[in-house]
Amino acid sequence: GAVVSQHPSWVICKSGTSVKIECRSLDFQATTMFWYRQFPKQSLMLMATSNEGSKATYEQGVEKDKFLINHASLTLSTLTVTSAHPEDSSFYICSAKMPGTSTEAFFGQGTRLTVV
Amino acid sequence: GEDVEQSLFLSVREGDSSVINCTYTDSSSTYLYWYKQEPGAGLQLLTYIFSNMDMKQDQRLTVLLNKKDKHLSLRIADTQTGDSAIYFCAGGTGNQFYFGTGTSLTVIP
Repeated sequence: GAVVSQHPSWVICKSGTSVKIECRSLDFQATTMFWYRQFPKQSLMLMATSNEGSKATYEQGVEKDKFLINHASLTLSTLTVTSAHPEDSSFYICSAKMPGTSTEAFFGQGTRLTVV
Repeated sequence: GEDVEQSLFLSVREGDSSVINCTYTDSSSTYLYWYKQEPGAGLQLLTYIFSNMDMKQDQRLTVLLNKKDKHLSLRIADTQTGDSAIYFCAGGTGNQFYFGTGTSLTVIP
């Protein structure tokens, strides 16, 4: 099946610094990618929908200035957590939608962010 | 958005069948999905069902959909220890997915 790669798998950063997470579709072009956040023992919450070449659409309650999303190419979307704080510590997962289908969305392996 | 609910935990003995249940609120979801998440890993799509279907079977997996009650279930036959994971149901219209809280399945040898 299609592969979506996320990098890094885990990252520890100091409070106040910024962290960039990459999401790549390895064998298909993804016009749409999604970013999710998962708190411990909770479900995935959709943060934003990223469309190639346009601004991301953020879900209600998600600060767009804090979670910067860039989808500059058909195979890469990035999420930058700016001025990270301990409450931003979470598991972030991206997914990429297979073009031309309504059912196929493939998920990355996730990034564990710990802010200390 | 859509509210999707699942029970949090399920324990079964190896070899038995597991049934994971899910209820949802938005009947406009075109597809309903089951994902598996192993510890520290991303999500793996297990199966999905179109909203106009009642049942779908795929090897050990059987998905039942009751549209009237907005209830979705996943049955795993002959559950193995490798099936231990968190299972998420999700509803979606192709561009967005709304996930349930996840059910942690523990398979007892």
